[in-house]
Amino acid sequence: DGGITQSPKYLFRKEGQNVTLSCEQNLNHDAMYWYRQDPGQGLRLIYYSQIVNDFQKGDIAEGYSVSREKKESFPLTVTSAQKNPTAFYLCASRPGAGELFFGEGSRLTVL
Amino acid sequence: AQRVTQPEKLLSVFKGAPVELKCNYSYSGSPELFWYVQYSRQRLQLLLRHISRESIKGFTADLNKGETSFHLKKPFAQEEDSAMYYCALHTSGTYKYIFGTGTRLKVLA
Repeated sequence: DGGITQSPKYLFRKEGQNVTLSCEQNLNHDAMYWYRQDPGQGLRLIYYSQIVNDFQKGDIAEGYSVSREKKESFPLTVTSAQKNPTAFYLCASRPGAGELFFGEGSRLTVL
Repeated sequence: AQRVTQPEKLLSVFKGAPVELKCNYSYSGSPELFWYVQYSRQRLQLLLRHISRESIKGFTADLNKGETSFHLKKPFAQEEDSAMYYCALHTSGTYKYIFGTGTRLKVLA
């Protein structure tokens, strides 16, 4: 089954803990993205990566970190420095040109 | 600065009525614009893009560079059109996509 897989679907975290969200794609896409989706604010770009071992900050990168060691994988770490981490996180990928393909999302709740 | 504006958070129409979801953008370069849709319990997916100039599920959108708009239209709304709609701008020469805040469309029976 091809596509983008995000895990876990739901995640709970205590304040002060780091947490890593997984994003894997088997579409052979070069570019990968992380967005945060909040009610009334739409999708805001956290990080994106055009190729392996390269990534750029988006509009709201503070408190987040990423890595791109493999083409298929683009994990996002939500660090304790992120002041308001409770949100719905969407991962996407894109071939050289064209549309974004999205995962089903991960909902993070900080207790 | 690049920006995408969707002025309506919620749009309610009756089944069979025309629908127009507004999208305005701010970008000095040559824009590539998209409409994405998120149905209940489904992932966000592409509805249409301005380059293809096609109609998908009865929806069309025309890029108006003079008014910097890319409004989504459908002549006769169906209940299954109820969803969240996002307008997105791709800035040329980059991999960056910018999304609007979204419009929730409710089609009433």
